[in-house]
Amino acid sequence: QKEVEQDPGPLSVPEGAIVSLNCTYSNSAFQYFMWYRQYSRKGPELLMYTYSSGNKEDGRFTAQVDKSSKYISLFIRDSQPSDSATYLCAMRGTGGFKTIFGAGTRLFVKA
Amino acid sequence: DTEVTQTPKHLVMGMTNKKSLKCEQHMGHRAMYWYKQKAKKPPELMFVYSYEKLSINESVPSRFSPECPNSSLLNLHLHALQPEDSALYLCASSQGYRAYEQYFGPGTRLTVT
Repeated sequence: QKEVEQDPGPLSVPEGAIVSLNCTYSNSAFQYFMWYRQYSRKGPELLMYTYSSGNKEDGRFTAQVDKSSKYISLFIRDSQPSDSATYLCAMRGTGGFKTIFGAGTRLFVKA
Repeated sequence: DTEVTQTPKHLVMGMTNKKSLKCEQHMGHRAMYWYKQKAKKPPELMFVYSYEKLSINESVPSRFSPECPNSSLLNLHLHALQPEDSALYLCASSQGYRAYEQYFGPGTRLTVT
């Protein structure tokens, strides 16, 4: 079993839809949960991070962490064609430098 | 300035060549990373430098040789690569104690012929 599982998609939605992206994980030592956006042939860009459980909102983006279920989500409201990208979840414990990435979900938002 | 720059953007090299990838950041970050990313796969950690010292080497073959000449620069020296080493090579940096907040460069797309 992989430490982090993420459905690769692709996920195709119409413009304006609410998008839900999810990851599950198995390592209970993970404390930091991140979401990165990666456009084609570019480096990943950190969207937001959450420490431990709870919700965090930044503009149209909301991240949720449920540690009891080992499940994290990223919601995108009022999705735009410019949101079309691959979204990578990532996780780590409190020490060291190693971050574990999910496989990434490819999202297409149709105008 | 939250920018990490990488040069070159593209590199094509033969299996007998020696080349280097360069990464630079001016955010005062003291941790710098090299990742390898194949198409439709997540980034895989190769090396981490913390305060200019090699902190992590993820059992990377010796044909990849990292170097951190100062706190702003990170190099990856390449020699005798194989075609399967063709990938996007990403550099990232972070504050030493905020390793969850990594800033990535645009990457170097490497093709080994």
